[in-house]
Amino acid sequence: NAGVTQTPKFRILKIGQSMTLQCAQDMNHNYMYWYRQDPGMGLKLIYYSVGAGITDKGEVPNGYNVSRSTTEDFPLRLELAAPSQTSVYFCASRGRDYEQYFGPGTRLTVT
Amino acid sequence: GQQLNQSPQSMFIQEGEDVSMNCTSSSIFNTWLWYKQDPGEGPVLLIALYKAGELTSNGRLTAQFGITRKDSFLNISASIPSDVGIYFCAGQLGKLSFGAGTTVTVRA
Repeated sequence: NAGVTQTPKFRILKIGQSMTLQCAQDMNHNYMYWYRQDPGMGLKLIYYSVGAGITDKGEVPNGYNVSRSTTEDFPLRLELAAPSQTSVYFCASRGRDYEQYFGPGTRLTVT
Repeated sequence: GQQLNQSPQSMFIQEGEDVSMNCTSSSIFNTWLWYKQDPGEGPVLLIALYKAGELTSNGRLTAQFGITRKDSFLNISASIPSDVGIYFCAGQLGKLSFGAGTTVTVRA
């Protein structure tokens, strides 16, 4: 099992550009999550999904969108990137227990 | 999400020392999780706790779910250089809320 994979690993965007961060898991987990991590801070939940076709907002959803067309994939879309979206983005998944498993992260800089 | 207070914010360890960190909250949680994050990597789950009072070990790591369900601690015994990193607590009540992390560095 690869677990949770994320692409790309690094990305630099100009202000106003858009991009999609990819996340995939091969553990057949229903629950998937997107977090952002800013320096010296814990993880803040952006969006989550409890299964294919079902998504909901977390603490900090503004400026982001998600979709969940399959169990495996949970892409995060940034429209009109802003410097405040410079962060490290982590995708996570969990099965029926409460243990979330994280991907390696995407480091995004918006300049 | 709920506010978690994790302390200390940072600590220096000497090889062989036992170290301890904790998390407290004003809210109760059903589950406590402890993660470690190495530089440039995602958090890795160390220990999961599901019942108040539960004490669980994973090698040199021991964690406890506080009786009040509002706190948890993590102990590392006989620390080694590869213990450096950032340790996060997380409490689950519906969604998962994370502490800000404890940065562990080796004392030169």
